[in-house]
Amino acid sequence: EIVMTQSPATLSVSPGERATLSCRASQSISSNLAWYQQSPGQAPRLLISGASTRATGIPARFSGSGSGTDFTLTISSLQSEDFAIYYCQQYDDWPPRFGQGTKVEIK
Amino acid sequence: EVQLVQSGAEVRKPGEPLKISCKVSGYSFSTYWIAWVRQTPGKGLEWMGIIYPGDSDTRYSPSFLGQVTISADKSISTAYLQWSSLKASDTAIYYCARQWGSTWFDYWGQGTLITVSS
Repeated sequence: EIVMTQSPATLSVSPGERATLSCRASQSISSNLAWYQQSPGQAPRLLISGASTRATGIPARFSGSGSGTDFTLTISSLQSEDFAIYYCQQYDDWPPRFGQGTKVEIK
Repeated sequence: EVQLVQSGAEVRKPGEPLKISCKVSGYSFSTYWIAWVRQTPGKGLEWMGIIYPGDSDTRYSPSFLGQVTISADKSISTAYLQWSSLKASDTAIYYCARQWGSTWFDYWGQGTLITVSS
């Protein structure tokens, strides 16, 4: 069973600043990783697949990197709508599993 | 426009049955997998299972096998998640989502809140 660990649990960032979120897999998952954003009261929204490919309509300020066990989601300049919870999800192993999330809050 | 529209919130008592739905539009329902995902404060997002409406091929996470039943009706482009006997621990938000094979989820329903309480 692959365990996904996200850090930090909460990230306090000022609008306009950069946010860097981490996701670590308990074993190598190649680039089989997706990132999602969940705003309050909303369903998750796909941001990134294949560790670094932005989904349709996702702004360029969101970028993903990494392979193997260590992955990063970077938001280059936080906008008000970006304050939300972010989840990573591995799909290298079955069943697919999510991390516990990182909450990005306004500093 | 791809849309997954789920049925509304439900309140049930332990032991009662329940079936919730996910109506799809904007793409060919039969040719993409539909997954169900549970969200709770304690365990976060959990993948429950998946169905391919084209042939009703269905797979379950070991954690949910025998606990729920996933089905689909191609004639009305709707997927279902059902319980024969609810438990208090089934209280959660349930999402349907279009899944690319065994990979990521690109479109999600709005979620259905299920509350099980005596």
